[in-house]
Amino acid sequence: DTEVTQTPKHLVMGMTNKKSLKCEQHMGHRAMYWYKQKAKKPPELMFVYSYEKLSINESVPSRFSPECPNSSLLNLHLHALQPEDSALYLCASSHSRDTKISSGNTIYFGEGSWLTVV
Amino acid sequence: AQKITQTQPGMFVQEKEAVTLDCTYDTSDQSYGLFWYKQPSSGEMIFLIYQGSYDEQNATEGRYSLNFQKARKSANLVISASQLGDSAMYFCAMREGLIYNFNKFYFGSGTKLNVKP
Repeated sequence: DTEVTQTPKHLVMGMTNKKSLKCEQHMGHRAMYWYKQKAKKPPELMFVYSYEKLSINESVPSRFSPECPNSSLLNLHLHALQPEDSALYLCASSHSRDTKISSGNTIYFGEGSWLTVV
Repeated sequence: AQKITQTQPGMFVQEKEAVTLDCTYDTSDQSYGLFWYKQPSSGEMIFLIYQGSYDEQNATEGRYSLNFQKARKSANLVISASQLGDSAMYFCAMREGLIYNFNKFYFGSGTKLNVKP
């Protein structure tokens, strides 16, 4: 079982709606990630939080707004999305620095949130 | 330049046979990590195996082993005794060791494995 929990698993929203995706982990990781994945493509990095601070924003449109309220939680606020934003959104977590221990550098993913924008 | 290259978009394997999924990578870092993930149609990205650049032994996890050839910059996944449940998309991925780049995680384009009964 994954130790990264994402809710909701499925979300359908209109283009004028405001919704949020939520992610939680209790592995003591200090780096958390949002990825977007379209069908038959690899995941694309959107945001990285390291020690609760936004460290990477891969030029994501402002209609996606991340938030990291504490070291265990990561949210992705959605507003005025377009149909092309429909995708699988994956949250992940990991240690934020090279642990020099093989298993310590693994990134763990949640089950994903399937988003459909209508 | 591509950081991770998977040249096999799709593969077929007979149940109970072994299969090798190819992955090559490109980095100038001395310290890096290589990963394989399995993604079934449900969407979850399942961690399979990890190889650190400083690990001398090839990683193994049950039926999964990673054939790590550092000089050739390849990290192929070997699945022994394939099962029908192994049918999925498989992604090779890498993270580099330098602090400023550590949290950028590169994925290959994936290989769709189909296991035939």
